[in-house]
Amino acid sequence: AQRVTQPEKLLSVFKGAPVELKCNYSYSGSPELFWYVQYSRQRLQLLLRHISRESIKGFTADLNKGETSFHLKKPFAQEEDSAMYYCALRGGNNRLAFGKGNQVVVIP
Amino acid sequence: EADIYQTPRYLVIGTGKKITLECSQTMGHDKMYWYQQDPGMELHLIHYSYGVNSTEKGDLSSESTVSRIRTEHFPLTLESARPSHTSQYLCASSARGNSPLHFGNGTRLTVT
Repeated sequence: AQRVTQPEKLLSVFKGAPVELKCNYSYSGSPELFWYVQYSRQRLQLLLRHISRESIKGFTADLNKGETSFHLKKPFAQEEDSAMYYCALRGGNNRLAFGKGNQVVVIP
Repeated sequence: EADIYQTPRYLVIGTGKKITLECSQTMGHDKMYWYQQDPGMELHLIHYSYGVNSTEKGDLSSESTVSRIRTEHFPLTLESARPSHTSQYLCASSARGNSPLHFGNGTRLTVT
């Protein structure tokens, strides 16, 4: 079975401060990890995926197979980063399993 | 513009009614999905389809049914709505292989 855990429901950070959203997964095979984001009044959309190894909107995430983690990080939070963030895992059955999500609030 | 569309956006309906939530995509994607999401909770996959005439149940048991008669259309039906069906329903699609999912705006269903 595949499972995604996002331990913190709500994260409040000041503008300019670093932000880190934790994501741990449980999967016996070789996973594919994603971060999806939902801004206010917008639909859920892909932020980044681990195989791309790129930075999107200043966010990066590194897959750590030893710790089974895929934490999302940004060194300097901006007000427009306030959103709901979901970590997701695609396993061998090609289906996507989501975590419960993190609500990020960036305080001006 | 290529996109994925869900209608209605909001639906309030009485117990026992039959409802169909519509989902259409114009991106030519083979794969389509329905997720159910309660407030503050994770998305749960309830149905998916990898092509025309192919439908499978997802990880979360659901009393709803789906059909995939055309590539672009993946409607979800509840034969007899109950208050326990109150939730948000998200439709998504993806291209072949390991492409990411594209989501619709969702339908927020309330059964009174």
